[in-house]
Amino acid sequence: GIQVEQSPPDLILQEGANSTLRCNFSDSVNNLQWFHQNPWGQLINLFYIPSGTKQNGRLSATTVATERYSLLYISSSQTTDSGVYFCAVISYNTDKLIFGTGTRLQVFP
Amino acid sequence: GAGVSQSPRYKVAKRGQDVALRCDPISGHVSLFWYQQALGQGPEFLTYFQNEAQLDKSGLPSDRFFAERPEGSVSTLKIQRTQQEDSAVYLCASSLRLAGNEKLFFGSGTQLSVL
Repeated sequence: GIQVEQSPPDLILQEGANSTLRCNFSDSVNNLQWFHQNPWGQLINLFYIPSGTKQNGRLSATTVATERYSLLYISSSQTTDSGVYFCAVISYNTDKLIFGTGTRLQVFP
Repeated sequence: GAGVSQSPRYKVAKRGQDVALRCDPISGHVSLFWYQQALGQGPEFLTYFQNEAQLDKSGLPSDRFFAERPEGSVSTLKIQRTQQEDSAVYLCASSLRLAGNEKLFFGSGTQLSVL
């Protein structure tokens, strides 16, 4: 099945710093989503982005489908950004959303 | 409803006990998914419904796990004769139409602890 790798696995930032999270996937996909899992376990859908670029406030994401990667940018990080960020994909001919390995982000004041 | 609702939020079971976990998807959502998330890991796919039809159950770890969605809305995940390795958070998600081109929305999960 499709493999989804995320990097870095862990990231520690001071408030106000910027960061880039990467997601590599091993096969063509028709669905890619970024999620934030907060410290209470709730998974929040950040972006549905199978291709192209989207922005939502301090967050933006870019997916280059032909090169099989996606990037999540966090600018001016805040302590509330802490948690685990997951990339998840659905490959063609399936409806199964497969999660990546995750990036654990800690933002300190 | 406003979001995906799961109950109970926490469940403690003795080894060998049967448990039932409930998921209320967003009203009108066709697709429903169950995931299992072990501590420190990402969610792992268990099973998928389109309306009342269970189209994929390839992720169910054993025949002790059973899921149903008889009327195409509420779903129940049942685990028989629970084992300690079943301890995890069980997440439910729904999407408006077929999942291939849709955003998925997740509930808060049920944390199952098997003693």
